[in-house]
Amino acid sequence: GQQLNQSPQSMFIQEGEDVSMNCTSSSIFNTWLWYKQEPGEGPVLLIALYKAGELTSNGRLTAQFGITRKDSFLNISASIPSDVGIYFCAGRGGGGSEKLVFGKGTKLTVNP
Amino acid sequence: DVKVTQSSRYLVKRTGEKVFLECVQDMDHENMFWYRQDPGLGLRLIYFSYDVKMKEKGDIPEGYSVSREKKERFSLILESASTNQTSMYLCASSPPSTGELFFGEGSRLTVL
Repeated sequence: GQQLNQSPQSMFIQEGEDVSMNCTSSSIFNTWLWYKQEPGEGPVLLIALYKAGELTSNGRLTAQFGITRKDSFLNISASIPSDVGIYFCAGRGGGGSEKLVFGKGTKLTVNP
Repeated sequence: DVKVTQSSRYLVKRTGEKVFLECVQDMDHENMFWYRQDPGLGLRLIYFSYDVKMKEKGDIPEGYSVSREKKERFSLILESASTNQTSMYLCASSPPSTGELFFGEGSRLTVL
């Protein structure tokens, strides 16, 4: 089946640093999405990307849909303590499928 | 405020018991999903439904069944709970063809 390789698995950074994480796949996706999960909560959608090459920002977050449609990255600039959580990438294939494939997540810790 | 509500945040059941996990959404979404989340394994799709009374198996349907009698409600059923079904269960809904999932807060099930 389709799989997403998300890296890194975890990151420990200082407040104010920039963060970068990415997802790659051997399969093509038509949609890439990034979710954040805080402790004790369900994931929340951060950014959705629908076109190859698309670059989208949401505040301090920026995500890109790779040109090959097999990868995506998420950058967080000037991290703050409330950025702590697990970030998941997800891809949606074509053919009318409603199913998402999720990466295994990047756990972010921000030291004040 | 849009919402996906899961009936129980925490449940403790015994091996062999029948378990019902209920999920209600107020966004009139066609799609509803049940995921299981385990450390190191990410989110794995159990079942999803794209319409009332319609369901499709996800990646790990064994040991589970679902029911969708009304558009807003999607139930996950464990016919005979086993200890390897101890996990966090996440319900989500989405409009069609977007991949934009809205998650509930999760139900943490412990099977003794």
